[in-house]
Amino acid sequence: KAGVTQTPRYLIKTRGQQVTLSCSPISGHRSVSWYQQTPGQGLQFLFEYFSETQRNKGNFPGRFSGRQFSNSRSEMNVSTLELGDSALYLCASSLSLDGELFFGEGSRLTVL
Amino acid sequence: SQKIEQNSEALNIQEGKTATLTCNYTNYSPAYLQWYRQDPGRGPVFLLLIRENEKEKRKERLKVTFDTTLKQSLFHITASQPADSATYLCALRGGSNYKLTFGKGTLLTVNP
Repeated sequence: KAGVTQTPRYLIKTRGQQVTLSCSPISGHRSVSWYQQTPGQGLQFLFEYFSETQRNKGNFPGRFSGRQFSNSRSEMNVSTLELGDSALYLCASSLSLDGELFFGEGSRLTVL
Repeated sequence: SQKIEQNSEALNIQEGKTATLTCNYTNYSPAYLQWYRQDPGRGPVFLLLIRENEKEKRKERLKVTFDTTLKQSLFHITASQPADSATYLCALRGGSNYKLTFGKGTLLTVNP
């Protein structure tokens, strides 16, 4: 069974640009959540989706947005990038809103 | 405000000893608590889940306790091995918005 797939794995952007990250969950998983991980702040919750509906949102500015498609695949977008957005962005899927999360390997974003 | 604290940023122990990691929380009524392991450059991997009405859970060399009076969970690895060296994260699901929130993690190093 394939795991959670995140693309791209690495990317470099400059300030002011925007970025779209993609996440393909484990087959059959309907819940997808996103986290930002930095050395100083640890794992910070971004969004949680279930059956194409956003169920929860973390305390991030409106520049951070996401969506989930009917096949459970999810994307997140960050517009007007800032240096502080440099981080590892992790996607996780689960069968339901409860239970264990299965994480992908992450997308490492560097903003110059 | 709701807070999750993993008391030690780093813990060094000798091979064969029991590692004990602590997770404390404030202003939370968690439905359940989870522990994850994260290796450098990888996404976290689920280890154990313990619910609010459970005192203890075991899985092979791992044991988790959950004390809702003390607002604390302890995570034990018995007969530790160098391969157990990793960052261990606790995560709580609960609160008014029921989102899953992670602590900052404890870096465990098991010395041969």
